Amino acid sequence: GNSVTQMEGPVTLSEEAFLTINCTYTATGYPSLFWYVQYPGEGLQLLLKATKADDKGSNKGFEATYRKETTSFHLEKGSVQVSDSAVYFCALMKNTGFQKLVFGTGTRLLVSP
Amino acid sequence: EAGVTQFPSHSVIEKGQTVTLRCDPISGHDNLYWYRRVMGKEIKFLLHFVKESKQDESGMPNNRFLAERTGGTYSTLKVQPAELEDSGVYFCASSSRVLARGLLAGGTGELFFGEGSRLTVL
Repeated sequence: GNSVTQMEGPVTLSEEAFLTINCTYTATGYPSLFWYVQYPGEGLQLLLKATKADDKGSNKGFEATYRKETTSFHLEKGSVQVSDSAVYFCALMKNTGFQKLVFGTGTRLLVSP
Repeated sequence: EAGVTQFPSHSVIEKGQTVTLRCDPISGHDNLYWYRRVMGKEIKFLLHFVKESKQDESGMPNNRFLAERTGGTYSTLKVQPAELEDSGVYFCASSSRVLARGLLAGGTGELFFGEGSRLTVL
């Protein structure tokens, strides 16, 4: 079946450090891939997405590239800020049929000044 | 425009009691989803409504869970009787994307999530 594996947290960084959160997936066919973020006290928000191989999603300085050959969608940011502290979820969705997101376990990011 | 709202934000009940969670989707969104995150684990799909009809309830854990969406507007998720393992955060999401000829079509495709309802069963 479809599944998503992401690195366990928490990931603790200092402000302006480089961030990578690894995500790999298992899926039949060609799913769309997503990163969602949950800031403290808020709901899940879509951060970025990619719908086909080699697509790069980007938003708020974050990037992730859909790598079919390695079945990965790693999240990166060149310089994190304290305000980026949140829980990040990698997810996939089949491109046919009704929408159903399959999530990873989430990775908590803590950024200190 | 109001987003997806959920109520209550946090509920603490004892084992064996009943709890009802409510979700108000974004106005005009036909698709409504319930997901659950048990502590430290992945967010798991529970079920999906298209308007008032249950399209997919394959993720519902057992018959202690009952979801309804009367009139195709807001939805409720009732847990009766609650067990310890039901503790977690219940997320609701809605979207406007529609299905046509077996393929997703129409709308932005994005699921908009609420803040979640945290359920603690003691």
